[in-house]
Amino acid sequence: ELKVEQNPLFLSMQEGKNYTIYCNYSTTSDRLYWYRQDPGKSLESLFVLLSNGAVKQEGRLMASLDTKARLSTLHITAAVHDLSATYFCAVDMSTGANSKLTFGKGITLSVRP
Amino acid sequence: DVKVTQSSRYLVKRTGEKVFLECVQDMDHENMFWYRQDPGLGLRLIYFSYDVKMKEKGDIPEGYSVSREKKERFSLILESASTNQTSMYLCASTGSVNEKLFFGSGTQLSVL
Repeated sequence: ELKVEQNPLFLSMQEGKNYTIYCNYSTTSDRLYWYRQDPGKSLESLFVLLSNGAVKQEGRLMASLDTKARLSTLHITAAVHDLSATYFCAVDMSTGANSKLTFGKGITLSVRP
Repeated sequence: DVKVTQSSRYLVKRTGEKVFLECVQDMDHENMFWYRQDPGLGLRLIYFSYDVKMKEKGDIPEGYSVSREKKERFSLILESASTNQTSMYLCASTGSVNEKLFFGSGTQLSVL
C-alpha cells in the first residue's frame, strides 16, 4: 500500500526567511504533484514533477523530485504572508494511461511578520 | 476556462437519507474522482472512473456508490447517510496520466 508522508504537518514561518518542506512516499513512482489549498477553498495545482531530478519553480516556490530517495522537497524563498496555506503532495502509482493519486495529509504553513 | 462544478457548496442531511452529490466537468476528461477531506487525514479517494459506465473503488468506498452515465458527469451516492460521513467532498477530473487534477469547489456535507 502506498503511503505518502509530509512533514512537518504545521510550520510557522517568519516573513523573509527560507524554508523547506518534505514529501516522502513508500513505493516507486516518478510522478509527483504539489497542490495548494487556501482556507475554505478547493485545491489548486502548483507543480507537476514527472521524472527523477525534475525541478520546477514558480515565484518564491521551487519543487524538486528525487525518485531514488522517494522524496520531493518544496523550497520557499523569502516567505511572504500570501504563501500561508495548506500544501499537499500527491503521488501517482498507476500504470498505463490513467491516473490515480494518493495524497499526503498536507502541511499548513503560516507566515508571521 | 476549465471547470469542474459541484452542485452544492453546503448540504445538510439526516441520518438514513439517500444523498446524491453531483459533479460536472466541461473539459471532456476521461478520468473523474471523488475524494473526501477530513481535518488531519488529508484527501482520501472514495471512487474513481476512467470511462463512461466504468467505476473503480478507491481506498474508502464503504457506504458509497457512484454513477457515470455520461462522460461529463460523475455522481457520488450515499445510500444511507451516517454521521461519520460528515465531511468535505471534492470532485476532480483529469484528461490523462501526467496531467494535473482539476478540482471542484467542494461540497461540505453535514449529516445530523
